[in-house]
Amino acid sequence: DGGITQSPKYLFRKEGQNVTLSCEQNLNHDAMYWYRQDPGQGLRLIYYSQIVNDFQKGDIAEGYSVSREKKESFPLTVTSAQKNPTAFYLCASRDSSAYGYTFGSGTRLTVV
Amino acid sequence: KQEVTQIPAALSVPEGENLVLNCSFTDSAIYNLQWFRQDPGKGLTSLLLIQSSQREQTSGRLNASLDKSSGRSTLYIAASQPGDSATYLCAGGYGGATNKLIFGTGTLLAVQP
Repeated sequence: DGGITQSPKYLFRKEGQNVTLSCEQNLNHDAMYWYRQDPGQGLRLIYYSQIVNDFQKGDIAEGYSVSREKKESFPLTVTSAQKNPTAFYLCASRDSSAYGYTFGSGTRLTVV
Repeated sequence: KQEVTQIPAALSVPEGENLVLNCSFTDSAIYNLQWFRQDPGKGLTSLLLIQSSQREQTSGRLNASLDKSSGRSTLYIAASQPGDSATYLCAGGYGGATNKLIFGTGTLLAVQP
């Protein structure tokens, strides 16, 4: 079955540590997105990529980095510069010829 | 600034009732309006997508409408069931080819058996 796989489901980060969240899709979608979800604030766009080797900052990119070396993969690194990283992170993809999004099941990141 | 608002934030109804969830957006230059469902601790499931040239879309017991001139969309759920209990999110698609989504904060629906 085609879909988006996010791993791990739960992730714990120590102060000052960088962590990487994985997002893999087998839908052959061109565009991929990372969103952050906080209680009461809805989803906010972190980064997005429309083609391989290209990506753009979203509304809250500070403290995050991404790469898009393969069409199927769009990993997100939460760096130590992100001061409040505890949140639920969602990855999504979209076929460039359509508008409908497909979301992964999310990664819950907690700072310990 | 592009903003999407959902009212009410929470709703509790008895099983079998018809209900309407509301979504409003500030920027009428919208390309599409999407409704999603989110179960606790899970990702988003796409329910309906309405293109800016359309007025409504239907899927089973769900009907979504779009009125660009008033900046509003509604999600109508007929004959609600306990399995419909979830958070419902609407999102406006902007930017043409990039289709960046601006999300509302959601409506938490509880259908009581």
